[in-house]
Amino acid sequence: AQSVTQPDIHITVSEGASLELRCNYSYGATPYLFWYVQSPGQGLQLLLKYFSGDTLVQGIKGFEAEFKRSQSSFNLRKPSVHWSDAAEYFCAVGAPGTYKYIFGTGTRLKVLA
Amino acid sequence: SQTIHQWPATLVQPVGSPLSLECTVEGTSNPNLYWYRQAAGRGLQLLFYSVGIGQISSEVPQNLSASRPQDRQFILSSKKLLLSDSGFYLCAWNRGTGLNTEAFFGQGTRLTVV
Repeated sequence: AQSVTQPDIHITVSEGASLELRCNYSYGATPYLFWYVQSPGQGLQLLLKYFSGDTLVQGIKGFEAEFKRSQSSFNLRKPSVHWSDAAEYFCAVGAPGTYKYIFGTGTRLKVLA
Repeated sequence: SQTIHQWPATLVQPVGSPLSLECTVEGTSNPNLYWYRQAAGRGLQLLFYSVGIGQISSEVPQNLSASRPQDRQFILSSKKLLLSDSGFYLCAWNRGTGLNTEAFFGQGTRLTVV
């Protein structure tokens, strides 16, 4: 069965520091990959997505993610974090041939001023 | 442009009472529709999805049910709520061409069962 692992439940960084959120997936082929962000009490907003092609994808708000097939990973990065980036981040996979998106348990980001 | 509406935003219901959450999508046709539940520390759990009117796939056996009476309407129901049904419920849609497209989420319904 497909699964998504986000090993870091909480991450705290200082404003201006770099950020990397980890995501590993389990799937027999290359799935479709997504990162979403959720502010408290709100729905999810898409940050970026990977379907095929260039393994480094750019998203909104200065985020990027790199797909590494050999590591089954799709880590999210940002070179300089802003206080407004404090939120919960979810990695998700879409399994080709199904209609299901499978989400990780999320990483809550705290930004110190 | 497409929009998704979910209501109510918050709901407090006693144990054993019925539930009806509604989700509608505007500006598109034949979307795939999804209900997710989010519990603290557990990420998003897929409850139901629908690829067409009257077509419901259930992912988790429980006392919830879903219906799709119209193309762009998705309803989550329960006849008798349990305490464990508390959580944040999110409706989502995608363009119906498969998963090589992102899901768009509503603003969610916070359900507290007391």
